[in-house]
Amino acid sequence: GAVVSQHPSWVICKSGTSVKIECRSLDFQATTMFWYRQFPKQSLMLMATSNEGSKATYEQGVEKDKFLINHASLTLSTLTVTSAHPEDSSFYICSAVQDGETQYFGPGTRLLVL
Amino acid sequence: QKEVEQDPGPLSVPEGAIVSLNCTYSNSAFQYFMWYRQYSRKGPELLMYTYSSGNKEDGRFTAQVDKSSKYISLFIRDSQPSDSATYLCAMSAISGGSNYKLTFGKGTLLTVNP
Repeated sequence: GAVVSQHPSWVICKSGTSVKIECRSLDFQATTMFWYRQFPKQSLMLMATSNEGSKATYEQGVEKDKFLINHASLTLSTLTVTSAHPEDSSFYICSAVQDGETQYFGPGTRLLVL
Repeated sequence: QKEVEQDPGPLSVPEGAIVSLNCTYSNSAFQYFMWYRQYSRKGPELLMYTYSSGNKEDGRFTAQVDKSSKYISLFIRDSQPSDSATYLCAMSAISGGSNYKLTFGKGTLLTVNP
């Protein structure tokens, strides 16, 4: 149990385009999901908290108009990187909370913006 | 001073060795402590979760928390080549809900040589 999936696993796009990343909790419902970004050889940095049925909460320094988050249901959250630029290239990972205690992470989405 | 300090290594040990991984933290509000294992280009996988000082054992893994010293450890007994990965400590002041934010260490890269 406690499986979180992400789609796509990797994506390459041109500068200026938008990319949508999906995060799904496959076998449990998650009212809260989190989005992280991880640069090479760095730790995970929390970008935003995704709340089902309400607006996401963004961490300081994260542009909410650039990283659009939609938590459409108890099992799905999406992150859209709008007008992506090469500096947005990174490893994006989501997590979901099961039973209010532990965060389970998705496998990550590697984004490369050319 | 960063909230969570973790030696990034790399750490290289022979198969069968006992591995000791450590993190220190400065925020006394942290009450929940986790260890995650992350293979290259994959999402973190939860290994251990604890919220009290002392030891918690799960198979070859033992998590140790010393809240008075703000110090946590993960011990791996009889290490195997398949244990080769990056180990991330993570901690939180709150468990569950939309305020459940994890603060991660930078991760320690471990290689177990056959």
